[in-house]
Amino acid sequence: QVQFVQSGAEVINPGASVKVSCKASGDTLITSVIHWVRQAPGQRLEWMGWINAGNGNTKYSQNFQGRVTITRDTSATTAYMELSNLGSEDTAIYYCARDAGIVPSRFDPWGQGTLVTVSS
Amino acid sequence: DIQMTQSPSTLSASVGDRVTITCRASQSIRSWLAWYQQKAGKAPKVLIYEASRLQGGVPSRFSGSGSGTEFTLTISSLQPDDFASYYCHQYSSYPLTFGGGTKVEI
Repeated sequence: QVQFVQSGAEVINPGASVKVSCKASGDTLITSVIHWVRQAPGQRLEWMGWINAGNGNTKYSQNFQGRVTITRDTSATTAYMELSNLGSEDTAIYYCARDAGIVPSRFDPWGQGTLVTVSS
Repeated sequence: DIQMTQSPSTLSASVGDRVTITCRASQSIRSWLAWYQQKAGKAPKVLIYEASRLQGGVPSRFSGSGSGTEFTLTISSLQPDDFASYYCHQYSSYPLTFGGGTKVEI
């Protein structure tokens, strides 16, 4: 049963970028599609995009205006989400989650989340 | 974008109560809807998918129904472990979107 462990909390200056990792344990990601979702304080969950860890194909939400890039390492054990040109509105918990069906489908399981705080 | 509207936003209930949460989509999503439970400081956990299919390991007191634009999540007999927030999620079309959440409190 795959589980995801995400990288630790970050404090980032406005205008900079952040890269969050999502490492699989118990299985590789090779047959998985990994989504990234964020949750700002008091806000609803917001889908950011996904990556097919097997072939590297990606799909992004246009709501991020090209600021998000999702990648994976060549061994397909870790997925990454990089968000650029950060503003205060990007302060949120960022989650990775596996697509559990035929993409897109329900998300299961989820990583534990990574808090990103944008502050000078 | 498909807008997902949940109601109520907060629900006060007691152990043993039957609880119903509603989710409305701004356009038809057929049955491409999931429900998640989220406890404070934790990641969401899927309960229901394809509107009415129970995720493995989820207690049978949870059930989902609906299609098109109106959906419900029902907890038949609320247990202490069920006090949490619940979110609907449409995966019919991109961008994938979520409801605003329903907090179930004592």
